[in-house]
Amino acid sequence: QVTLRESGPAQLKPTQTLTLTCSFSGFSFSFSGMSVTWIRQTPGKALEWLARVDGDDDKFYSSSLRTRLTISKDTSRNQVALTMTNMDPVDTATYYCVRGRHVYDFWGQGILVTVSS
Amino acid sequence: EVVLTQSPDFQSVTPKEKVTITCRASQSVDSGLHWYQQKAGQSPRLLVRYASQSQSFSGAPSRFSGSGSGTDFTLTINSLEAEDAATYFCQQSSILPVTFGQGTKLEIK
Repeated sequence: QVTLRESGPAQLKPTQTLTLTCSFSGFSFSFSGMSVTWIRQTPGKALEWLARVDGDDDKFYSSSLRTRLTISKDTSRNQVALTMTNMDPVDTATYYCVRGRHVYDFWGQGILVTVSS
Repeated sequence: EVVLTQSPDFQSVTPKEKVTITCRASQSVDSGLHWYQQKAGQSPRLLVRYASQSQSFSGAPSRFSGSGSGTDFTLTINSLEAEDAATYFCQQSSILPVTFGQGTKLEIK
């Protein structure tokens, strides 16, 4: 059974750094072609792709957020982390970690992150 | 980046109706177009991958089907059920960055 779960702070102040962790089970980065992706959904429901890490440690970032994002994986612990610097109220969203490289077949429950002073 | 435009934005439908949602890409994405369903308070769920490959084996009902290629795609729901009330999104994976449509909200009368 594949599961993913996001963890991290629910609230941040502007300019702070967000660090989210995705803990997953039921699959492994050692599986061929496996990847974990971060996607966020604004309160208005728009979905935005953020970053992806592949099993061979290749990393891909949203071009508009590239300078603020870092994605990393810990294969032994089945975890993926996402760091986003200089948070702003417009970054308020539900952040999802999902399994998949091009198609997303399993999603975490999401974590709502609110940025407010 | 590829802009995906869904239509309609909102539709109110009655059970047993056949529903069609369209997704138009600003440039060709071949068959790299996927459909998701998101019910209120839940995460999105994959319904159709690569335009027409249904996910019935993983729990998506067989009444959902997809078609299209290039720039024009369709999600069809045959014989709508009350549980299909949700927002539906298309997503393309052919051209980075991955992008999503704005969503189509289905209300069941």
